[in-house]
Amino acid sequence: AQSVTQPDIHITVSEGASLELRCNYSYGATPYLFWYVQSPGQGLQLLLKYFSGDTLVQGIKGFEAEFKRSQSSFNLRKPSVHWSDAAEYFCAVGDTGRRALTFGSGTRLQVQP
Amino acid sequence: EAGVAQSPRYKIIEKRQSVAFWCNPISGHATLYWYQQILGQGPKLLIQFQNNGVVDDSQLPKDRFSAERLKGVDSTLKIQPAKLEDSAVYLCASSLGQLDTIYFGEGSWLTVV
Repeated sequence: AQSVTQPDIHITVSEGASLELRCNYSYGATPYLFWYVQSPGQGLQLLLKYFSGDTLVQGIKGFEAEFKRSQSSFNLRKPSVHWSDAAEYFCAVGDTGRRALTFGSGTRLQVQP
Repeated sequence: EAGVAQSPRYKIIEKRQSVAFWCNPISGHATLYWYQQILGQGPKLLIQFQNNGVVDDSQLPKDRFSAERLKGVDSTLKIQPAKLEDSAVYLCASSLGQLDTIYFGEGSWLTVV
């Protein structure tokens, strides 16, 4: 069965600093990987997705993620964090069989001024 | 373009009572999902529809939860009788089809007391 691990429950960074959120997945075949963001009281918004091809994926709001098969990772990065990036971030894995996403438990990002 | 609509947004009920949530997906989206998100956890798939047929309901507690998608558009998720552990946000989501971007509604917050 597929699974996703987000090792960091909570991360605090200063505004303008760089950010990396970790995601490790478990899946037997080539995974389909996603990062979603959830602001308080809101639904989830897709930041980016990886299906195949270039392992460095660009998303919205200046985010990018890199797929590393050897490490079973799909870490999310942003070079300079803005206060509006404070939210909860979820990594998810999907497969062609179940056709639904399995989510990690999330990482809460706090941005200090 | 209108997003995924859900109602009610908030509901408080006593244990053993029943509750129903409604979802209207994005127009033309064939795939509809219901996810349960318990506080501090990632969303967990309850049921997935393709048009009006069930694709996956393996994690739906069928002794108390039911869902339908008559006519392949709107969907209703019902809980009867509710338990304290059902307190969560119930997220409806939709997509055009397999592996297309999944769009989430803002969720229906349920508190069981």
